[in-house]
Amino acid sequence: AQRVTQPEKLLSVFKGAPVELKCNYSYSGSPELFWYVQYSRQRLQLLLRHISRESIKGFTADLNKGETSFHLKKPFAQEEDSAMYYCAHVQDGSARQLTFGSGTQLTVLP
Amino acid sequence: DAGVIQSPRHEVTEMGQEVTLRCKPISGHDYLFWYRQTMMRGLELLIYFNNNVPIDDSGMPEDRFSAKMPNASFSTLKIQPSEPRDSAVYFCASSAPAPETQYFGPGTRLLVL
Repeated sequence: AQRVTQPEKLLSVFKGAPVELKCNYSYSGSPELFWYVQYSRQRLQLLLRHISRESIKGFTADLNKGETSFHLKKPFAQEEDSAMYYCAHVQDGSARQLTFGSGTQLTVLP
Repeated sequence: DAGVIQSPRHEVTEMGQEVTLRCKPISGHDYLFWYRQTMMRGLELLIYFNNNVPIDDSGMPEDRFSAKMPNASFSTLKIQPSEPRDSAVYFCASSAPAPETQYFGPGTRLLVL
């Protein structure tokens, strides 16, 4: 079955340090991958998608087909980046429903 | 636009009782999704609708769970009878014709005692 794997449940970094949240996928075709974020007491929201190749809030994510990865990166973490981050992909077929990874809780320490 | 609206925001009930969760999607969105979030299992898709029709309910855990969408602006998720293991946060999300961009509601935190 197609899936996305986020190997780290918890990740802590200091403010100003680089941060990388890992996401690996198992899919033989052309995946459509996304990062969603959930800040404390806020609803889950789209952060970025691989097809747009954009940088949002300083975050970028590059699709690496060789490594089947879509890691989320930011060169200098800020305290306001502390949140739960979910990697997600679109399932096969016309349904296009999202399947989420298990999530990584990022804590940026002062 | 208030976004996706869910009610109630919190629900505490006793085992065996019926629980009904409600969702109002964003106007114009034709997809509606119900998710369950737990510490153990993360975010799981339960069921989703397209144009008020259930498309895939394979994520519904068992017959105690049912979902309806009587019109484009309202959906319910019902648990009858509820059990303590149903305790979780239940999210509703909706999307427009680019369904991968889902807009989530604030969630309903359910506690079954």
